[in-house]
Amino acid sequence: AQKITQTQPGMFVQEKEAVTLDCTYDTSDPSYGLFWYKQPSSGEMIFLIYQGSYDQQNATEGRYSLNFQKARKSANLVISASQLGDSAMYFCAMRDLNTGTASKLTFGTGTRLQVTL
Amino acid sequence: DAMVIQNPRYQVTQFGKPVTLSCSQTLNHNVMYWYQQKSSQAPKLLFHYYDKDFNNEADTPDNFQSRRPNTSFCFLDIRSPGLGDAAMYLCATSRQLGQGQPQHFGDGTRLSIL
Repeated sequence: AQKITQTQPGMFVQEKEAVTLDCTYDTSDPSYGLFWYKQPSSGEMIFLIYQGSYDQQNATEGRYSLNFQKARKSANLVISASQLGDSAMYFCAMRDLNTGTASKLTFGTGTRLQVTL
Repeated sequence: DAMVIQNPRYQVTQFGKPVTLSCSQTLNHNVMYWYQQKSSQAPKLLFHYYDKDFNNEADTPDNFQSRRPNTSFCFLDIRSPGLGDAAMYLCATSRQLGQGQPQHFGDGTRLSIL
């Protein structure tokens, strides 16, 4: 069975600073995908970034980067130059081909990020 | 803009009264998903359609059904809502079932049960 763990229920960061949101995962499948989503208070889930288990380089998308450490089974999200609009809940998720269906995303419990002035 | 649209944003129904939530997409994606997200919890997959093929999660209650009459639309039917079914319901799509395909979510429908 696959499992995603986000140990930080809440984080504060000052505007313009960088912040790292932690995510560890557990899977027995050598082939998997890792995703980060942002969920503002309005409720929509916004896809941020993807990392494949066989990708050689860490994924980056604008101010978002993924610090992928395969041996440690961690996939931390780094947000650089935080903005007030980054305040939201952030979910780490994984897709594992051993679930019986390649569609299933398993989510962590989320980290609520608050950006302050 | 191509997108995933959920209607309504807020739905109130009575205990035991059937309710239908709708989702439409202009992305022309093959796969459509329904998730349930209770307060302060992670989204939980209920079921998905790959084209017309329906796939139910093992722990999805029988009370929850889904229909996909065409590529663009997918409905979530709750036959007899209980108080425990109050939640945000998220519809998502992806082009394929491939590992690296991100799922694109709608804004969600927040369901309240009176």
